[in-house]
Amino acid sequence: QKEVEQDPGPLSVPEGAIVSLNCTYSNSAFQYFMWYRQYSRKGPELLMYTYSSGNKEDGRFTAQVDKSSKYISLFIRDSQPSDSATYLCAMKKEDTGNQFYFGTGTSLTVIP
Amino acid sequence: EPEVTQTPSHQVTQMGQEVILRCVPISNHLYFYWYRQILGQKVEFLVSFYNNEISEKSEIFDDQFSVERPDGSNFTLKIRSTKLEDSAMYFCAIQTSGVYEQYFGPGTRLTVT
Repeated sequence: QKEVEQDPGPLSVPEGAIVSLNCTYSNSAFQYFMWYRQYSRKGPELLMYTYSSGNKEDGRFTAQVDKSSKYISLFIRDSQPSDSATYLCAMKKEDTGNQFYFGTGTSLTVIP
Repeated sequence: EPEVTQTPSHQVTQMGQEVILRCVPISNHLYFYWYRQILGQKVEFLVSFYNNEISEKSEIFDDQFSVERPDGSNFTLKIRSTKLEDSAMYFCAIQTSGVYEQYFGPGTRLTVT
């Protein structure tokens, strides 16, 4: 079983839609959860990060962590064509260095 | 957000050759990382570097790879005797004081022919 699973999509939505992106994980040692956005042939760009469970909101973006289900989500409200990118979840364990474990990424296209 | 530059942006090399990929953080940071992303696959951790030595490395980071910070600013990844399967995007990342905050450079696309 992979440590971090993410549906690769592709996901296509109309402009203005609410987008839900998800990752599941198998290792309960993960405590730090990040979402990155990656445009084609560019480096990942940090969007959001949370520690342990709960929600965090930043503008149109909301990150949720449900540790009991080992499930994390990123919601994008009022999606824009400029949100079209690949979204990567990443996780870090509490006690073992600073290695990030990435999902495979979900490709999102927002259609004008 | 901290800035990171990487050179070259694209490197083409023949199998068996050595390549050096460079990362230049704009300001001083303590933690440096190299990640690899084979086309269409996930970003994979290679190595972390703290206080001028390797602090953690993955199974991918075998004797073929080495890292150093030769002049106190640049951070380099050397790949000896490249193989076809080394073709990938290589990302440098830096970490600020926050534990979550790894910032990635634009990457070097390595093509081994």
